[in-house]
Amino acid sequence: KAGVTQTPRYLIKTRGQQVTLSCSPISGHRSVSWYQQTPGQGLQFLFEYFSETQRNKGNFPGRFSGRQFSNSRSEMNVSTLELGDSALYLCASSLGQLTYNEQFFGPGTRLTVL
Amino acid sequence: KNQVEQSPQSLIILEGKNCTLQCNYTVSPFSNLRWYKQDTGRGPVSLTIMTFSENTKSNGRYTATLDADTKQSSLHITASQLSDSASYICVVSYNYGGATNKLIFGTGTLLAVQP
Repeated sequence: KAGVTQTPRYLIKTRGQQVTLSCSPISGHRSVSWYQQTPGQGLQFLFEYFSETQRNKGNFPGRFSGRQFSNSRSEMNVSTLELGDSALYLCASSLGQLTYNEQFFGPGTRLTVL
Repeated sequence: KNQVEQSPQSLIILEGKNCTLQCNYTVSPFSNLRWYKQDTGRGPVSLTIMTFSENTKSNGRYTATLDADTKQSSLHITASQLSDSASYICVVSYNYGGATNKLIFGTGTLLAVQP
């Protein structure tokens, strides 16, 4: 069974631009959650999508948004990029809602904002 | 305030030795606690998930314990190997209200195993 895949793996953007990251969960998994990881803050939860609906949301500004498609693939969008958005963005999938099920993480997308 | 604190921040041990990592939390109401291992440049990998009623859980050379009364968990690594060098992250899930649960992440313990 293929694992969680994320594209692209690396991305360089400039301030003010927007970016879209993609995540394909493990086949059969219906929950996709997104995380931001920085050296200073560690792992922080962004949001979770389950059956195309956002079920949980972390404490991030509205510039961070996401969606999930009927095939469970998910995208995350960050608008008006700031330097502080430079981070590793991780996606994880689970069979059911994340808080009751084991999560499987993808390799991440490394975003650099210049 | 819901918090997860891990100690030590970093640890260096010799190959073959045992070590124990600590996780203290103030999260309430508690749902479950997880330990993850994250190799440099890669996504975290789940080691254990423990609910309120579980005191101990093993995954190979990794054994996690949970004391829900004192709100403490530990991860014990037996006979360490060079491949155990990684960041170990403790994550606690709590009920936010109704069917909504949230995750609180610790900042991790960076373990280096030296030959």
